Amino acid sequence: DQQVKQNSPSLSVQEGRISILNCDYTNSMFDYFLWYKKYPAEGPTFLISISSIKDKNEDGRFTVFLNKSAKHLSLHIVPSQPGDSAVYFCAASGFSGGYNKLIFGAGTRLAVHP
Amino acid sequence: NAGVTQTPKFRILKIGQSMTLQCTQDMNHNYMYWYRQDPGMGLKLIYYSVGAGITDKGEVPNGYNVSRSTTEDFPLRLELAAPSQTSVYFCASSLGLRGSNTEAFFGQGTRLTVV
Repeated sequence: DQQVKQNSPSLSVQEGRISILNCDYTNSMFDYFLWYKKYPAEGPTFLISISSIKDKNEDGRFTVFLNKSAKHLSLHIVPSQPGDSAVYFCAASGFSGGYNKLIFGAGTRLAVHP
Repeated sequence: NAGVTQTPKFRILKIGQSMTLQCTQDMNHNYMYWYRQDPGMGLKLIYYSVGAGITDKGEVPNGYNVSRSTTEDFPLRLELAAPSQTSVYFCASSLGLRGSNTEAFFGQGTRLTVV
């Protein structure tokens, strides 16, 4: 039972263009959403987050959009840079299965090529 | 500023052996977690703790045990290693699980192979 889904295992984008990573969730109790970035042989690092009371949050080149009615969020990276090549995890927090927890998606591997 | 430190980074175990994965954090976070990452499967929560002396099961707790005697340390114990436990294990901590307190800080991971 995947409560957080990232349906695209990989994405390839040209340097300078926009990268759009998508995430869907099923549990309406989730009220806070986060994106993490992971390089090989390292732990995930926090990138950007959004509360369920907002529909957009921006931090430099990174913007997260939340569509609560569709239970969908997306991460936009503009412009994409080769250093953005990594695995991106979407995560959701809230009350689920009897306790508050943080649930991760399967990740999307982004490759930014020159 | 160490953050979350995990040891060891790599380990090979034989079936049936036991081991403890160590995790310590220096941010005075109440919440600590253990996740495992299998290829293409994202991060699955094994156990979590909301403070010293309090632990609870996550999504995939079978075959593991934890303890939390101090705020800083959250070791994960494998009693009888099985090939299905071959994975990369991540320890993480956060201030809480509401709003911006949810931001979790991760260790570098332990790559475990059971043969």
